[in-house]
Amino acid sequence: DAGVTQTPRHEVAEKGQTIILKCEPVSGHNDLFWYRQTKIQGLELLSYFRSKSLMEDGGAFKDRFKAEMLNSSFSTLKIQPTEPKDSAVYLCASSLGTGPETLYFGSGTRLTVL
Amino acid sequence: GDSVTQTEGQVALSEEDFLTIHCNYSASGYPALFWYVQYPGEGPQFLFRASRDKEKGSSRGFEATYNKEATSFHLQKASVQESDSAVYYCALSLSSGSWQLIFGSGTQLTVMP
Repeated sequence: DAGVTQTPRHEVAEKGQTIILKCEPVSGHNDLFWYRQTKIQGLELLSYFRSKSLMEDGGAFKDRFKAEMLNSSFSTLKIQPTEPKDSAVYLCASSLGTGPETLYFGSGTRLTVL
Repeated sequence: GDSVTQTEGQVALSEEDFLTIHCNYSASGYPALFWYVQYPGEGPQFLFRASRDKEKGSSRGFEATYNKEATSFHLQKASVQESDSAVYYCALSLSSGSWQLIFGSGTQLTVMP
C-alpha cells in the first residue's frame, strides 16, 4: 500500500510569494492533518479534516494558511503571503479515524523562505 | 490548555546504555498517552500507547508506564543501539471522537557506537 505522499520535498520561496504544498493521503483514510514542524515548537497542528470536512483550522495560523481537501485523495496547503518565519517542515498525515495508532505521516516538505 | 512537556531536548548515549526520556503532561480530562519516533528524512511513526493509569505500553524494547498521579509517561529502554538514534515525541489525545494529538517538543536521541 502506498503511504502518505507529499510534494515537493523541498521548496524555496521569496518573502511575499504564494506557495502550495500537496498531499495524497493513504487510500481509504478518512482523517487528514497538516502539521508544521520546527526545532523550537515541535509539531503544531495547522488543519484537520474528517471526511473532507474541516474540523480544525489551526487558530493562530488562520490568516495566511489555508488547507483544502479537493477530494478524498488530495489535499493542498496554501501559504499566502510567505514570511521568513514560515520556514519549517510541513507534514501531512492521514488516519482511518479510529485513533492515533492508525495515523501515518508523510515525509514532509521542507520550506525555506528567503 | 492541555500540553505535553519533554524536558530533554537532546540526549547522547553510548550503545548498551540505559535510556530515559521524560514526559509530563497537563490535561483537563483523562488523556490517552503516546510515543512516536521520527527517523531522519521521515515523518513520525506510532510507537505505542497507554490509555489508563498504571498501564504499560511497549514496542521494540521501548516502554513507558502511565502515571496519573505524577502526570508522567517516561520513555525507557534498557540497552540502546545506534539504530535507535531518532527524535522521540510524547503526545496526548483527549477525545475518542474527534481525536487530535498534542505533541511535546521532541527529544533528539543520538547513540554512539
